[in-house]
Amino acid sequence: DQQVKQNSPSLSVQEGRISILNCDYTNSMFDYFLWYKKYPAEGPTFLISISSIKDKNEDGRFTVFLNKSAKHLSLHIVPSQPGDSAVYFCAASGNDYKLSFGAGTTVTVRA
Amino acid sequence: GAVVSQHPSWVICKSGTSVKIECRSLDFQATTMFWYRQFPKQSLMLMATSNEGSKATYEQGVEKDKFLINHASLTLSTLTVTSAHPEDSSFYICSAMGQYGETQYFGPGTRLLVL
Repeated sequence: DQQVKQNSPSLSVQEGRISILNCDYTNSMFDYFLWYKKYPAEGPTFLISISSIKDKNEDGRFTVFLNKSAKHLSLHIVPSQPGDSAVYFCAASGNDYKLSFGAGTTVTVRA
Repeated sequence: GAVVSQHPSWVICKSGTSVKIECRSLDFQATTMFWYRQFPKQSLMLMATSNEGSKATYEQGVEKDKFLINHASLTLSTLTVTSAHPEDSSFYICSAMGQYGETQYFGPGTRLLVL
């Protein structure tokens, strides 16, 4: 049972534009949400996180928005750069700290 | 900060042998480490949670006698795949979580190929 869903397997965006990645979850016990970036044959790299007491967290070009009532979060990358091309995973955890991952979204930034 | 290493990065072994994978937190103490597995074109799946000084807890469907986990210190956890078979071929990734944070930092992964 997939508790974290990323319904868009891929996203193509032009350099300089905004990338918006979406993630939905079903478990209401999740209270901490993270976004990771991953290249093939490498471990995920932590990008940004948000706890359930907030609805927005910003770090440089990355902003994560959380809508608890809709059980939805999104990652905005602006401006998108060619180096942002990778697979992005949404992950969520509850008080046991175990991460449930989405299936990932492959982002391609076009020059 | 928050660097996690894994060794080896690549291993090829014969069916029936055992393989040990090490996960180290290099610049912080990790009270909890996690082991994940990723099959091609799939997401990361949690295998087990490893707490320093105590037994690991395994996710449903993961054989604890096949995947032995030892978390002997605050900076090292090991995963031993015992009597490996071709179906165990996968990408194994560990993560480490510090004492005061909820963020997990991941190692670079170990690709295991069992012939």
